[in-house]
Amino acid sequence: GENVEQHPSTLSVQEGDSAVIKCTYSDSASNYFPWYKQELGKRPQLIIDIRSNVGEKKDQRIAVTLNKTAKHFSLHITETQPEDSAVYFCAASPPGSYIPTFGRGTSLIVHP
Amino acid sequence: EAGVAQSPRYKIIEKRQSVAFWCNPISGHATLYWYQQILGQGPKLLIQFQNNGVVDDSQLPKDRFSAERLKGVDSTLKIQPAKLEDSAVYLCASSSNPGQGVERTYGYTFGSGTRLTVV
Repeated sequence: GENVEQHPSTLSVQEGDSAVIKCTYSDSASNYFPWYKQELGKRPQLIIDIRSNVGEKKDQRIAVTLNKTAKHFSLHITETQPEDSAVYFCAASPPGSYIPTFGRGTSLIVHP
Repeated sequence: EAGVAQSPRYKIIEKRQSVAFWCNPISGHATLYWYQQILGQGPKLLIQFQNNGVVDDSQLPKDRFSAERLKGVDSTLKIQPAKLEDSAVYLCASSSNPGQGVERTYGYTFGSGTRLTVV
């Protein structure tokens, strides 16, 4: 089955800095890569996603890049704000099912 | 639109006891999922229903876990008997299109979860 590795497990930045979270996946057939944000005690919420036929996608301050050859994808957050503090999960889904295998999560802390 | 409802929010039980969680998906969503999220890890799929049928339960520990969705709407997940390692948040999610679980356009939505502590 699919295996998703995520790094770092904890990321601490100053407000206004950029943050990058990296993930690798094992199944070359996976073709859908969502990212979820989970605030403390709350449900995971989808923040951005990318399909394998696209190399990069941007939505305001967040962007995701995908390298299919290397089987890795990354989340980039620019101009971080304290409200960006949360646990971020990457995930990978095989074709047809879209049911994700999640990474272990990255705890992002943005210091004001 | 109402979200995915789960209850209870918290549960503390002793090991070897039984516990049940309830989930009511978004109205009209045919597909329902139960996930286990252990502290410090990502959610892991336990079981997927489409209407009242099981699509995938390959990661459900069937010796102690069971789940049902008898009328194709709400669902219950049961653990009997519970072990210490079952301590986790149990998340329910639903989507309107089977096999299209995480498409934003298909409205894949998590509930707030039930935090289980086994002591």
